[in-house]
Amino acid sequence: DGGITQSPKYLFRKEGQNVTLSCEQNLNHDAMYWYRQDPGQGLRLIYYSQIVNDFQKGDIAEGYSVSREKKESFPLTVTSAQKNPTAFYLCASSMRENNSPLHFGNGTRLTVT
Amino acid sequence: AQKVTQAQTEISVVEKEDVTLDCVYETRDTTYYLFWYKQPPSGELVFLIRRNSFDEQNEISGRYSWNFQKSTSSFNFTITASQVVDSAVYFCALSENKGGSEKLVFGKGTKLTVNP
Repeated sequence: DGGITQSPKYLFRKEGQNVTLSCEQNLNHDAMYWYRQDPGQGLRLIYYSQIVNDFQKGDIAEGYSVSREKKESFPLTVTSAQKNPTAFYLCASSMRENNSPLHFGNGTRLTVT
Repeated sequence: AQKVTQAQTEISVVEKEDVTLDCVYETRDTTYYLFWYKQPPSGELVFLIRRNSFDEQNEISGRYSWNFQKSTSSFNFTITASQVVDSAVYFCALSENKGGSEKLVFGKGTKLTVNP
């Protein structure tokens, strides 16, 4: 079945450590995205990539980094510079056509203590 | 700036009741897209509908219907004869037509609980 896989589902880290969240898709989508969701909040865009080896900052990119070396993969690193990293992180992908619907993964819940 | 407001934070209904989820948006663009997504307890968001700003026809899909009114900048979502499986958080979103959906702006969501 085609889809987006995020791993792990739950992640725990100590403050000051970098952590990388995995996102893999087999939908052959060109565009991939990372969103952050906090309780009672909508989704906020962290980074997005429309093509391999290229990505752009979203609305809340500070403290995060990404890479897009393969079409299928778009890992997100939460660095120690991110002041409030505990959140639910959602990865999504879409076709490059204008305003194509996003397909989402199941998310990774990151807890930093 | 674009903005999406979902004024209802939580709604609780009894099975078989009809329920409407409100969505009001703000944009200066004449061309834009509106979306609804469903987030069940499992976490992933599921796409429900996309509507462009030039198409004000209401849409019905089974028990789901959408009412798009540009005059009031609203894109409301109605579930008829609700079921327990409809329990989820529902997000309305707005996108500019600028080469992809990377500028999707989400509302804060409405948590719907359907009780048996």
